[in-house]
Amino acid sequence: KAGVTQTPRYLIKTRGQQVTLSCSPISGHRSVSWYQQTPGQGLQFLFEYFSETQRNKGNFPGRFSGRQFSNSRSEMNVSTLELGDSALYLCASSYGQGITEAFFGQGTRLTVV
Amino acid sequence: GESVGLHLPTLSVQEGDNSIINCAYSNSASDYFIWYKQESGKGPQFIIDIRSNMDKRQGQRVTVLLNKTVKHLSLQIAATQPGDSAVYFCADVSGGYQKVTFGTGTKLQVIP
Repeated sequence: KAGVTQTPRYLIKTRGQQVTLSCSPISGHRSVSWYQQTPGQGLQFLFEYFSETQRNKGNFPGRFSGRQFSNSRSEMNVSTLELGDSALYLCASSYGQGITEAFFGQGTRLTVV
Repeated sequence: GESVGLHLPTLSVQEGDNSIINCAYSNSASDYFIWYKQESGKGPQFIIDIRSNMDKRQGQRVTVLLNKTVKHLSLQIAATQPGDSAVYFCADVSGGYQKVTFGTGTKLQVIP
């Protein structure tokens, strides 16, 4: 079966702009969680959606938001981009809540200039 | 705050030898731990997990050891192969599987 698909794979944005990233989970999976990965901070949890509801949230500013649609696809949005937002953004999907038995996508590499 | 850290940023191992990757954690209320492998250009891939009430778990060529006394976790890879070259990091899960904290990663280089 198809894995977790993230689009786009690469993105370059200017400081102050906003960006929307997309994640299509594995068919049948109801949970999608988002992570930010940087060389300095490693992998950090952003938020998790389960059945269209945000169930858990990490320690990120309100500029980072997300949503999940009825087909379990999810989007995350970052507004007023800062240089420090440059990172690999990963999403993971699972049937149940949480990170147990979650499968990761290849990520979207965001560069803010 | 609570953290999960790794002892060594880079580990070089001869092909065929065993590899040991270490991880220290500080959260005494962790429910379980996960080891991930991340190859260049790819997302993290689940390797093995261990519940906090266990001290050892074995998979195919991999063994995870948990020492709760010193809050230390290790991943042992037997007969390391070139395909094992990747970044490995641990994750600490707590709060009823709701809170996850990741280590920064150890790069494993396999020398042919």
